[in-house]
Amino acid sequence: AQSVTQPDIHITVSEGASLELRCNYSYGATPYLFWYVQSPGQGLQLLLKYFSGDTLVQGIKGFEAEFKRSQSSFNLRKPSVHWSDAAEYFCAVGAKGGATNKLIFGTGTLLAVQP
Amino acid sequence: EAGVVQSPRYKIIEKKQPVAFWCNPISGHNTLYWYLQNLGQGPELLIRYENEEAVDDSQLPKDRFSAERLKGVDSTLKIQPAELGDSAVYLCASSLGLAGGQETQYFGPGTRLLVL
Repeated sequence: AQSVTQPDIHITVSEGASLELRCNYSYGATPYLFWYVQSPGQGLQLLLKYFSGDTLVQGIKGFEAEFKRSQSSFNLRKPSVHWSDAAEYFCAVGAKGGATNKLIFGTGTLLAVQP
Repeated sequence: EAGVVQSPRYKIIEKKQPVAFWCNPISGHNTLYWYLQNLGQGPELLIRYENEEAVDDSQLPKDRFSAERLKGVDSTLKIQPAELGDSAVYLCASSLGLAGGQETQYFGPGTRLLVL
């Protein structure tokens, strides 16, 4: 069965510092992978996605993620964090095709940004 | 372009009362999803529609939950009767409905339900 693990429940970084949020997945084939961000009281906004091709994916707001098949990982990175990045981040794996077109989400990582 | 619209944004009811949530997907999106998000958790799929047809409702608690998508556009999710454990955020999402699964789902702001 597909699953997503986000090992870090909560992370605090200083503004201007670099950020890496971890995501590991379990899936029998090459997955579709997504990162979403959720601000308090808001829905989920897509940051970036991986379907195929270049394993380094660029997203919005200066975020990027790298798909590493050997490690079953899709970690999210940002070189310099801004206070407005404080939110909850969800990694998700999408099952391919047919009647199984759904997202499996991780439990999320809550990011706090210190001034 | 307007995003996924949901209403109400917040709802407070007493247990055993009925409640309904409404979703209007992005124009042209054939696939519509309802997710449940408990506090501190990621969203979990309740039901997925392809046009008017519910193609995946295996996670929908059918004793108290029901959903419909008349005319393949708007959708309503209903709970009757509500229980304390139903307090959560109910998210609606939509996608184009492409073959092969290379789909991007776009989410609405959610309805936050509190059952007292």
